[in-house]
Amino acid sequence: EAGVVQSPRYKIIEKKQPVAFWCNPISGHNTLYWYLQNLGQGPELLIRYENEEAVDDSQLPKDRFSAERLKGVDSTLKIQPAELGDSAVYLCASSPSGAGELFFGEGSRLTVL
Amino acid sequence: DQQVKQNSPSLSVQEGRISILNCDYTNSMFDYFLWYKKYPAEGPTFLISISSIKDKNEDGRFTVFLNKSAKHLSLHIVPSQPGDSAVYFCAASEGSGTYKYIFGTGTRLKVLA
Repeated sequence: EAGVVQSPRYKIIEKKQPVAFWCNPISGHNTLYWYLQNLGQGPELLIRYENEEAVDDSQLPKDRFSAERLKGVDSTLKIQPAELGDSAVYLCASSPSGAGELFFGEGSRLTVL
Repeated sequence: DQQVKQNSPSLSVQEGRISILNCDYTNSMFDYFLWYKKYPAEGPTFLISISSIKDKNEDGRFTVFLNKSAKHLSLHIVPSQPGDSAVYFCAASEGSGTYKYIFGTGTRLKVLA
């Protein structure tokens, strides 16, 4: 069974540029999460989807961050414009609806110069 | 306000001995807990979980203990192996289907051969 796939693995951009990350969850997993992980910290939830509905986006900085999950499968997280403080690893995770553990992708490491 | 705390940033243990990783939480509504392991440049992988209706859960070399009155959980690894060297995160959520996981800051375990 394929795991959670994220791309790109690494991205380096200048500040004020836009950037987008893509996530393909495990087949059949209805719940999809985007987490932010800063260096030396644990993952912090940005947004959670149940199918195509964002059920928890309270931690998403909506002035510059946006996300979508069309058709309830793949998801895209966008930052526009990026700031220096956005340098971090962006983790996507999925789980079967109503089940416990999360399955994480390898993450997308963003460096903003 | 850090609701899930891992106060030891690092731990070194001799191969074959027991590793004990600790986690404290402040939210008494948390009733489901997980431990994740993370290698460099990889996403976190699920290790073991425990529900608040239990005080112990065991899976091979890994055992998680939960002390609800102290709001404390610990992960025991016996015997420790060099391949266990990684960063370990504990995570907690309020159940009832919310599955909004709050992660600790992680403990880096180094198992010495």
